[in-house]
Amino acid sequence: AQSVTQLGSHVSVSEGALVLLRCNYSSSVPPYLFWYVQYPNQGLQLLLKYTSAATLVKGINGFEAEFKKSETSFHLTKPSAHMSDAAEYFCAVYSGGYQKVTFGTGTKLQVIP
Amino acid sequence: EAGVAQSPRYKIIEKRQSVAFWCNPISGHATLYWYQQILGQGPKLLIQFQNNGVVDDSQLPKDRFSAERLKGVDSTLKIQPAKLEDSAVYLCASSLIFKNTEAFFGQGTRLTVV
Repeated sequence: AQSVTQLGSHVSVSEGALVLLRCNYSSSVPPYLFWYVQYPNQGLQLLLKYTSAATLVKGINGFEAEFKKSETSFHLTKPSAHMSDAAEYFCAVYSGGYQKVTFGTGTKLQVIP
Repeated sequence: EAGVAQSPRYKIIEKRQSVAFWCNPISGHATLYWYQQILGQGPKLLIQFQNNGVVDDSQLPKDRFSAERLKGVDSTLKIQPAKLEDSAVYLCASSLIFKNTEAFFGQGTRLTVV
């Protein structure tokens, strides 16, 4: 089975500090990996995706993530947090054998002024 | 480009009543998904359509949930009868094809069952 584990349901950072949201996946076949952001009362918006090309993936709003096969991780980072980054972030995995996307439980990011 | 449209945005019903949600995907998107997002959890796929055919409905509670996508465009998701545990946000998404292409999400319908 494929699965995603997001460590930390809530993360708080100061404005201007590094953002690090953790995601580990489990998949028996090479996966595609995604990070989505969800603002209050909104749907999910794709931040970035890994599809077996470059292991360092750059997304929108200054976010990036690095695929590390040896660690089965796909952590999301941003060098400097902005107040507007406060939202919930979901990591998701797709592997061909299951033909569906599985989402993690989400991490709420709080940015402290 | 218009996004994925969903209606209604909010719905409050009593248990054992029925309810229906509507979704209009992005024009030209062959794949349509319905997700259930319970508070504090990630979205869970209920059903996935490719055009008007069902690709995956393994997690759809078929005794009370049904979905259709007539003509391969709009879709409706119905719950009959509703239970308290069905309270959640129901998200519709669409993509050109599934796999690694980006899925675009609607704003969702927040259902409260009392």
